[in-house]
Amino acid sequence: GAVVSQHPSWVICKSGTSVKIECRSLDFQATTMFWYRQFPKQSLMLMATSNEGSKATYEQGVEKDKFLINHASLTLSTLTVTSAHPEDSSFYICSATSPLDYGYTFGSGTRLTVV
Amino acid sequence: GESVGLHLPTLSVQEGDNSIINCAYSNSASDYFIWYKQESGKGPQFIIDIRSNMDKRQGQRVTVLLNKTVKHLSLQIAATQPGDSAVYFCAESPGANSKLTFGKGITLSVRP
Repeated sequence: GAVVSQHPSWVICKSGTSVKIECRSLDFQATTMFWYRQFPKQSLMLMATSNEGSKATYEQGVEKDKFLINHASLTLSTLTVTSAHPEDSSFYICSATSPLDYGYTFGSGTRLTVV
Repeated sequence: GESVGLHLPTLSVQEGDNSIINCAYSNSASDYFIWYKQESGKGPQFIIDIRSNMDKRQGQRVTVLLNKTVKHLSLQIAATQPGDSAVYFCAESPGANSKLTFGKGITLSVRP
């Protein structure tokens, strides 16, 4: 089946630094990728939708200059958290779809801790 | 049930019993519905899905029911096992490759 690899699985960074999270579709071409954020004991909240080769569409309330999304190829999307602050600490999850079916394949998530 | 505040509601069941997890969705235009299971520290795991032109779909030990009239979705798990303990989310989408919106989630706890 379809596999999405997300890396790193966890990262600790200092306040004010930037962190990049990668999401790769391993065996299919992902025309659309989604980035979610999940706080403890809460649901997944969609941050943005990215289509290969075009700018990401951000959900209301999500700062596009803080959460930079790049979807330069059909197999790779990245999320960069710029100038991270402790309140950005969260579980970030990517998801990918392909035009061949209705499926959404999720990555395993990245636990970001900003200290 | 639906959650209040920031805490996920919990459903506690005895091992071997059947579980029913309910979800109310908000968008009457949603065409595609999915149930996910999430274990601590992991991404969501697909359980079963259903399109809006159906009202029931069965998988292995799981059944999803869709009631479009009242915008209600349920997941039934037969012979619940300890390995079923996790957080369960319903999700809805208006169509293929469209954004997926997650419900609030319910914690399923299986008593041995």
